[in-house]
Amino acid sequence: KAGVTQTPRYLIKTRGQQVTLSCSPISGHRSVSWYQQTPGQGLQFLFEYFSETQRNKGNFPGRFSGRQFSNSRSEMNVSTLELGDSALYLCASSLEGFEIGGYTFGSGTRLTVV
Amino acid sequence: AQTVTQSQPEMSVQEAETVTLSCTYDTSESDYYLFWYKQPPSRQMILVIRQEAYKQQNATENRFSVNFQKAAKSFSLKISDSQLGDAAMYFCANTGTASKLTFGTGTRLQVTL
Repeated sequence: KAGVTQTPRYLIKTRGQQVTLSCSPISGHRSVSWYQQTPGQGLQFLFEYFSETQRNKGNFPGRFSGRQFSNSRSEMNVSTLELGDSALYLCASSLEGFEIGGYTFGSGTRLTVV
Repeated sequence: AQTVTQSQPEMSVQEAETVTLSCTYDTSESDYYLFWYKQPPSRQMILVIRQEAYKQQNATENRFSVNFQKAAKSFSLKISDSQLGDAAMYFCANTGTASKLTFGTGTRLQVTL
């Protein structure tokens, strides 16, 4: 079956702009989570969506937002981009979230803010 | 709050040998899962092995096995018969009922001939 698909793979944006990243989970998975990966901070949890509702949120400013559609696809939006937002953004999907099945990750979107 | 600590930034192993990656964690939850993920240069995080906290038996997946010491909050990964394709970053992670993964800082594994 198809894996988790993230688009685009690479993105270059200018400070102050906004960006939208997309994630299509594995078919049947209802939980979609987003993570930010940077060399300095490592992997940090952004938020989780389940059945179109944000169920959990990490410690990120309000510039980071997301949503989930009825087909479980999710988008993440970052407004007023800062240089420090440059990172690899990873999306992960799972059936229900907290479960032994674990989370399947996409290949990520590499965002560079200049 | 949950924390995960990986104290080995880098490890090296010869092909066909065995290597153990260390991980300790802390959690206030009684029900949780532990995972090891592998991240090769392709960037995709690949699930290597998983462990349910309430199971005493250590998980095994082919050449990969864990040593789960619940009381000590330790969850180490053993890779047997190491292969060149095992070279990658390895992350230990913990998830509780909040459905979020807390990751360690990772261990870069090099496999030499």
